[in-house]
Amino acid sequence: DVKVTQSSRYLVKRTGEKVFLECVQDMDHENMFWYRQDPGLGLRLIYFSYDVKMKEKGDIPEGYSVSREKKERFSLILESASTNQTSMYLCASFKLAGLNEQFFGPGTRLTVL
Amino acid sequence: DQQVKQNSPSLSVQEGRISILNCDYTNSMFDYFLWYKKYPAEGPTFLISISSIKDKNEDGRFTVFLNKSAKHLSLHIVPSQPGDSAVYFCAASGWTGNQFYFGTGTSLTVIP
Repeated sequence: DVKVTQSSRYLVKRTGEKVFLECVQDMDHENMFWYRQDPGLGLRLIYFSYDVKMKEKGDIPEGYSVSREKKERFSLILESASTNQTSMYLCASFKLAGLNEQFFGPGTRLTVL
Repeated sequence: DQQVKQNSPSLSVQEGRISILNCDYTNSMFDYFLWYKKYPAEGPTFLISISSIKDKNEDGRFTVFLNKSAKHLSLHIVPSQPGDSAVYFCAASGWTGNQFYFGTGTSLTVIP
């Protein structure tokens, strides 16, 4: 059974803190993605990675960075958290080749105070 | 600019009736379209997909229709059940699948 896991379901941080969100997939997928979901805005792509150590900016990369040191692991980093980064963060993975769907993790609800 | 649009933020339907969720897209290069279902505090789960070479795909109570000329797709749920109450996202990608574009979601409520 395919699985995408995220390190935390709920997280509360203070403004200015460095925040790490980790995502692990066990499907040997090449592509991994980080989205944030906000009411009325849907899912917006922050960053994606198509290979180890490779990354591409999505639609809203400002204030975020990512790291992919191993194929199964994709980390999202908020260098200095701000209140406007309070959101639901969703990680997804995707197998290249053929028509496939993205598999999503359960999400991390981050609140920045 | 939003390349995939869901213009109805919410929809209420009686149990047993048909639910029709709509989605429009602007990029004619999209080749693959998907619907996801999302419950609160959970990640989206894949529901059904359709490639651009088809105009209909059916899976049990769920049918997706694609009208390429109108750049429009719809999801039909028949019959609707209370457990179908969730937010539904449509998504689209090109052939490479490197990037998926999501709509803003439609919140479906099925009234018992």
